[in-house]
Amino acid sequence: GNSVTQMEGPVTLSEEAFLTINCTYTATGYPSLFWYVQYPGEGLQLLLKATKADDKGSNKGFEATYRKETTSFHLEKGSVQVSDSAVYFCAPMTTDSWGKLQFGAGTQVVVTP
Amino acid sequence: NAGVTQTPKFRVLKTGQSMTLLCAQDMNHEYMYWYRQDPGMGLRLIHYSVGEGTTAKGEVPDGYNVSRLKKQNFLLGLESAAPSQTSVYFCASSTGAQQFFGPGTRLTVL
Repeated sequence: GNSVTQMEGPVTLSEEAFLTINCTYTATGYPSLFWYVQYPGEGLQLLLKATKADDKGSNKGFEATYRKETTSFHLEKGSVQVSDSAVYFCAPMTTDSWGKLQFGAGTQVVVTP
Repeated sequence: NAGVTQTPKFRVLKTGQSMTLLCAQDMNHEYMYWYRQDPGMGLRLIHYSVGEGTTAKGEVPDGYNVSRLKKQNFLLGLESAAPSQTSVYFCASSTGAQQFFGPGTRLTVL
């Protein structure tokens, strides 16, 4: 079956540091790829997405590029803020799955002042 | 638009009790989903529905039942709660292109 591997957390950074969260996946078909973010005590919000190979999704300073050849969708941000402290989930959606998402385990990011 | 709403927000049950979690969406989405979130395991799909009157099993369906009598509502039932069902439950709806999540229900089974 499909699976998603995310780097384990927690990842602790100082404000203005560079953030990378690795995500690789196995999937049948050609998936759309999503990053969701969960702030403390809240539900999941879509952070960004990419729907085909070489697409770059971006939002709030975060970026991720759909790399079909390495089946990866790594999340990056050049300068994190304390308000970026959250749990980040990588989630492919396969084309034959009725819109279902396969979630990674999540990576907790803690940004300190 | 309220988006996706869930009731209740919190609930404590004793082993063997039953309850129903309600999910409602006002975006006219065809697809709806129930997930559970446990520490270190991400979100796992319990059941889903691809339209009014339809339901299907997800990754972890045992111990749960669902119903989709109206397009806007998706109910998750626990007939006889067990401590292993202590979790945070999220509902989501979708057009098939992107999922929108509710705020979650924190359930504790003693």
